[in-house]
Amino acid sequence: QKEVEQDPGPLSVPEGAIVSLNCTYSNSAFQYFMWYRQYSRKGPELLMYTYSSGNKEDGRFTAQVDKSSKYISLFIRDSQPSDSATYLCAMISSEASGGSYIPTFGRGTSLIVHP
Amino acid sequence: KAGVTQTPRYLIKTRGQQVTLSCSPISGHRSVSWYQQTPGQGLQFLFEYFSETQRNKGNFPGRFSGRQFSNSRSEMNVSTLELGDSALYLCASSLGSGDQETQYFGPGTRLLVL
Repeated sequence: QKEVEQDPGPLSVPEGAIVSLNCTYSNSAFQYFMWYRQYSRKGPELLMYTYSSGNKEDGRFTAQVDKSSKYISLFIRDSQPSDSATYLCAMISSEASGGSYIPTFGRGTSLIVHP
Repeated sequence: KAGVTQTPRYLIKTRGQQVTLSCSPISGHRSVSWYQQTPGQGLQFLFEYFSETQRNKGNFPGRFSGRQFSNSRSEMNVSTLELGDSALYLCASSLGSGDQETQYFGPGTRLLVL
């Protein structure tokens, strides 16, 4: 079992829909959580960074962390065709100390928003 | 300001050769991290350099190495290339070591090993 599980999709939705992207993890030491967006032939771009359970909102994006269930989500409201990309979750262990950290990534979910 | 730049953007090598990839971080960023991205394994952390010192290392064989210069530019070297090393190699820079919130990725170098 991989440490971080993410459905590769593709997830196809109509423009304006609410999108829910999810990752599950097995390592309870993961305490820092990130979501990245990666367009084709580009490097990933950080969308959200959070380290506590609960919700964090930034514009149309909401990141949700449930540490008790080892489950994180990214919600995209009013989705646009420009949101079509691969979304990667990533996690860092709280055992990282002294400046030492190694992020673990999910495989990414391909999202297609059609007009 | 200019983003993270990587050179070359595309590279074709044959098995057994070695390759050196280059990364120029955003001005003022002192940390550079390297990643390998493949369809099979996804995005995996290779190593991070900060102030010319390797601070973190992922689970890759010793054929993968790197270094950082005093101007924060970084190079990554892969020796004795294998077919499985074909991948997109990404570098990312950040202000400080482990500083995910200020991390920006470059466009990557696509390496094909024949």
